[in-house]
Parts: sequence; C-alpha cells; structure tokens
Amino acid sequence: QVQLVESGGGVVQPGRSLTLSCAASAFTFSTYSMHWVRQAPGKGLEWVAVISYDGINKYYADSVKGRFTISRDNSKNTLYLQMNSLTAEDTAVYYCARTNGYKNRFDYWGQGTLVTVSS
Amino acid sequence: DIQMTQSPSTLSASVGDRVTITCRASQSISSWLAWYQQKPGKAPKLLIYKASSLESGVPSRFSGSGSGTEFTLTISSLQPDDFANYYCQQYNSFWTFGQGTKVEIK
Repeated sequence: QVQLVESGGGVVQPGRSLTLSCAASAFTFSTYSMHWVRQAPGKGLEWVAVISYDGINKYYADSVKGRFTISRDNSKNTLYLQMNSLTAEDTAVYYCARTNGYKNRFDYWGQGTLVTVSS
Repeated sequence: DIQMTQSPSTLSASVGDRVTITCRASQSISSWLAWYQQKPGKAPKLLIYKASSLESGVPSRFSGSGSGTEFTLTISSLQPDDFANYYCQQYNSFWTFGQGTKVEIK
C-alpha cells in the first residue's frame, strides 16, 4: 500500500539548518505533486510548500518563503525540505503528503517528523 | 489568500448524536473542499473531497455538502471512534486549512 515515511527531524538551535526527507513507496512517485504540511504543538495544520511532479514548479507559504527549499529526487522516490534560519515558530510536526495534480485533495500523508527549534 | 473559518471550535456530543461542523471560505472556492479527521499523535485522514465525495473506505455516516463559500460536514450517528479533530481544507487556490473542530465526549 502507499507509504510516505518522513525522517530527519530533531532538536536544532535557532538560526541553524535542517533537512527533512520523505521516502515514498507503492505508487508512481514521479507522477504526483508532493507537499509539506506542518502542525505546531497543540495547533492546527499549516500548508508549507509544494513541488510539481517533475520538480520544475515550487510554491511556498509566506511564512517560510526565502528560508525553506522543497526538492525531490524521482530516481530515489524521495521528497526533501531544506530548512534554513530556523526560529522557534518553526517548531512543529512536519508531514509530507501527495496530490494528483494541484487542484486536488491530500489523499495520503506520512506519519510526520518532529522538528524542535530550541537553544 | 483564501481564509477558512470553522465552527464550532469545540463540540460536545454523545454516541448516536447527529453532528454538524461548518466551514466558511473568505471567497468562493466552488466545490474544491476536503474534510480530514485527525486523532492525537496521528496524521490527518481524508474523509470527504470535492465537498461531498466520500473517500474510499470511509464510513457512510460521514457526509459533506455545500459549494461556493459555505460547507458542512455531518456525522449522522456519532460513534466512539469519531471523537477526534476535524479540519476543512480548500484547494481552489493553493491550500488552506480551517482552524479545526474538536469533537469531544459529552
């Protein structure tokens, strides 16, 4: 069955960088747009970034624009999120999720990876 | 940016109750709306898409309706497994979630 498995979370100091990964399996990864969504502790869901199936088009939430970079390696069925200049406000569980094209729902989600920004 | 507003924020109900959650968009999103259920420590689970289409495997007690700016999620007879948080999401223009509704035991 479709699986999305995030990794790379942990504790990081303010101002530092971290890269998250999302390994996909049991579907044709290269035909799906992929997203990152985050959830701060006790809060709601916030869409973070999307990358098109071919990696050409990328869009970001204003809250992370200029600091985060989404990328993918279709040969490895893996999605990435490079996070720079991290602040306490970036502390959250980060989920990857897929959509079939842009105007579509998130039908599968990973289990999430926790990023804690703290000194 | 399209804003999504859910109501109520918290809903207290009993097993067997009919439950309705409302979601309002700041501008028309046609029927590009999804509903998700999330339990503590778990990823969100898709329930409804395109406002009223039931995701495969989701019990038929869940239903969605609406178009334009007003949408509802209805649980016809609340079951013990349904106590959770629920989120609406628009995908007409980028992606925005409502702030969530917690369905708790009365």
